[in-house]
Amino acid sequence: QLQLQESGPGLVKPSETLSLTCTVFGGSISNSNYYWGWIRQPPGEGLEWIGSFYYTGNTYYNPSLKTRVTISVDTSKGQFSLKLNSVTAADTAVYYCARQGFSSRYYAFDIWGQGTMITVSS
Amino acid sequence: QSALTQPASVSGSPGQSITISCTGTNSDVGDYNFVSWYQHHPGKVPKLMIYEVSNRPSGVSNRFSGSKSGDTASLTISGLQAEDEADYYCSSYTSANTHLFGTGTKVTVL
Repeated sequence: QLQLQESGPGLVKPSETLSLTCTVFGGSISNSNYYWGWIRQPPGEGLEWIGSFYYTGNTYYNPSLKTRVTISVDTSKGQFSLKLNSVTAADTAVYYCARQGFSSRYYAFDIWGQGTMITVSS
Repeated sequence: QSALTQPASVSGSPGQSITISCTGTNSDVGDYNFVSWYQHHPGKVPKLMIYEVSNRPSGVSNRFSGSKSGDTASLTISGLQAEDEADYYCSSYTSANTHLFGTGTKVTVL
């Protein structure tokens, strides 16, 4: 049973860089049938897609965040990471990593991590 | 890019059927059959309920069904049960090679 687990600092200061890691258990990031992505949910608000990547390196981002976001992958560790720079209070949210269908369940996020709350505050 | 439009809330009595709409444009919902729906109980992990407009993952009750007409997708919950009370979000792939979520709908079981 594939599982995803986010890890991160919990608290980030304004203007600094948020770094999160998602570890994949029970499966391979290099599986050609899937993309992998990041989604967030600010308190009291809806879900927002941040970005996704394919194991070959193809990466695409939400245009509203594109200038501040980088997603990278370490297949040897079974991990992928999110970096969001120049954070503000508006970046306070629960951040989820998720698996995304490609050869089937096209583009649906079918397995999610538990989510990690990130607060931006001085 | 703006979020897909959903009603803020929908309610129904146990046993009734309700439908949640998800309105986009001809660059997302109207252009692709890559619409998915998620059930989200607050504090829990979002759960995929429908993918590719109308397909249910194994383990999802057949009381949940999806459809699409033009730029609007819909999720219908039949035989409403107390456990269905949650937030529901639609999502669509777009022609800009991005993904949009809906604004979210709170389902209340009366």
